[in-house]
Amino acid sequence: EVQLVESGGGLVQPGRSLRLSCAASGFTFDDYVMHWVRQAPGKGLDWVSSISWNSGSIGYADSVKGRFTISRDNAKNSLYLQMNSLRSEDTALYYCAKAHSLYSSCPDYWGQGTLVTVSS
Amino acid sequence: EIVMTQSPATLSVSPGERATLSCRASQSVSSNLAWYQQKPGQAPRLLIYGASTRATGIPARFSGSGSGTEFTLTISSLQSEDFAVYYCQQYNKWYTFGQGTKLEIK
Repeated sequence: EVQLVESGGGLVQPGRSLRLSCAASGFTFDDYVMHWVRQAPGKGLDWVSSISWNSGSIGYADSVKGRFTISRDNAKNSLYLQMNSLRSEDTALYYCAKAHSLYSSCPDYWGQGTLVTVSS
Repeated sequence: EIVMTQSPATLSVSPGERATLSCRASQSVSSNLAWYQQKPGQAPRLLIYGASTRATGIPARFSGSGSGTEFTLTISSLQSEDFAVYYCQQYNKWYTFGQGTKLEIK
């Protein structure tokens, strides 16, 4: 059974940093693209970042480019999101998600999310 | 950035009836289009990928069609558990979600 468990969220002041983690199990982690997607309270889904199986291809939404860094450790079956210079508009539930397959990289399995609140 | 536009924002349909949701891309995304269902307090659930292929375990009443810039999700006979928010997402050039369509009981 695929499991994705996010952690690291919390309350943080504007301008500060936070590092999210996602522990994966139930599938061959290093075979798949992995994603971070967020959802602000009461709002829609917002793609944040994605990373290929070998970290050779990485992409970011314009809203987080230069502030967030995605990474993965295939030996630990873990995905990370380093978030710097946080803003109030980064407040959201952050989901970790696994790509469907090599040929369809859309997310299929999702974690339950970790809540990030940016406020003074 | 590819912009995804869903319509309508809210759709009111009676149980047992058909629901048709639309999604338009600002430029061609070929067939790299997915549909998700999200219920309150839950993570999204993949329904359709490749514009028309049902994901594992998705009932046959859900169907997707379209290619290029125009896509449709059809739910043939609405069940009570189908009332939720639906999102389309393109994965042709990075990733973008539509703003969602709320499917509510009429």
